[in-house]
Amino acid sequence: SQQGEEDPQALSIQEGENATMNCSYKTSINNLQWYRQNSGRGLVHLILIRSNEREKHSGRLRVTLDTSKKSSSLLITASRAADTASYFCATDGGATNKLIFGTGTLLAVQP
Amino acid sequence: NAGVTQTPKFQVLKTGQSMTLQCAQDMNHEYMSWYRQDPGMGLRLIHYSVGAGITDQGEVPNGYNVSRSTTEDFPLRLLSAAPSQTSVYFCASSYSTSGWNEQFFGPGTRLTVL
Repeated sequence: SQQGEEDPQALSIQEGENATMNCSYKTSINNLQWYRQNSGRGLVHLILIRSNEREKHSGRLRVTLDTSKKSSSLLITASRAADTASYFCATDGGATNKLIFGTGTLLAVQP
Repeated sequence: NAGVTQTPKFQVLKTGQSMTLQCAQDMNHEYMSWYRQDPGMGLRLIHYSVGAGITDQGEVPNGYNVSRSTTEDFPLRLLSAAPSQTSVYFCASSYSTSGWNEQFFGPGTRLTVL
């Protein structure tokens, strides 16, 4: 069963706009991660936020985590056409040795 | 460093055939895993390994076999291919033996079973 679910399933924006994706999960976690997948390629790790952190930044990425609501959001600021990709959240579900992925958000950034 | 490599990139099988998907990493990572990706399903964990000689099942292990004789290699065997195993398969590795740290992914193998 999926641990995480991303929302929306698809998002289309103009270059320069901000993109926000949300992830909800079901059980307690040790950390939550976001990955990007360009079409036809493998996943690339973007950022990891631990369960005791509320917000984390990396370049144009901002991730928030609300463990009371079991949710996270990924904000990409000043988006570029190169940001077009699928974005996945992943959690451990509180269990060791397993990383469980959500179903992903497909982001299209129009030039 | 080549990172995580997978071969082949594409494969077509007939129902009932067997084959092995190869995965290798040159980062001396202890943790390796196999996922399958299907449309609308995200990635689902098939099998994982926390070190040479140690493997365990993930969410969807049926029909697949793994072994880990070396730190570098983690092959995935399809015992008797079925159309339901048509998917894209990704191998990943992590520097930590707990699977919930950053994982490095290979480019994937696209498998079609007729």
